Amino acid sequence: EAGVTQFPSHSVIEKGQTVTLRCDPISGHDNLYWYRRVMGKEIKFLLHFVKESKQDESGMPNNRFLAERTGGTYSTLKVQPAELEDSGVYFCASRPGTGSYGYTFGSGTRLTVV
Amino acid sequence: RKEVEQDPGPFNVPEGATVAFNCTYSNSASQSFFWYRQDCRKEPKLLMSVYSSGNEDGRFTAQLNRASQYISLLIRDSKLSDSATYLCVVNWIGGGADGLTFGKGTHLIIQP
Repeated sequence: EAGVTQFPSHSVIEKGQTVTLRCDPISGHDNLYWYRRVMGKEIKFLLHFVKESKQDESGMPNNRFLAERTGGTYSTLKVQPAELEDSGVYFCASRPGTGSYGYTFGSGTRLTVV
Repeated sequence: RKEVEQDPGPFNVPEGATVAFNCTYSNSASQSFFWYRQDCRKEPKLLMSVYSSGNEDGRFTAQLNRASQYISLLIRDSKLSDSATYLCVVNWIGGGADGLTFGKGTHLIIQP
């Protein structure tokens, strides 16, 4: 079974540019999450999709971040315009249904804004 | 989302020794508890869930004390391959919220 796939694995962009991160969850997983780890801080929740619907986006830092999950399959997270403080590792996770088990994380996208 | 507190370490432990670390969580409504392991520049991977009755998986034992809001992890007969960062993670589901709250992690170094 394929795991959670994220790309790119690394991205270096200049401040003010736009970057789009992609996550392909495990096939059939309705729940998709985005998390972020900023240097020196803990991994933090950004948002949660159930199929194509945003269930909880309370962790999104500001309106420069836009997440979508069209068709309830893969998800994108766009940062526009990127700021220096957006640098970090963005993880995606998915799990099949209700309950707290079965979170599988992708290997992350390391974003560096210069 | 409430905090999860962990001693960041590093814990430097000789191979074969027993090591224990713990974390505290502030949200008394937390429902599920986990230890994740994260290797350098890798994604977090579930090590084990933590149950109120305590649970064991090979050399690893996890304990949960709901009254004190405290979670522990014990590693016996430590191996070099146990070197990693151990993340204490809790989950609270309700009111539309469902996601994991992570501690910063405890860095463990097993020395030969």
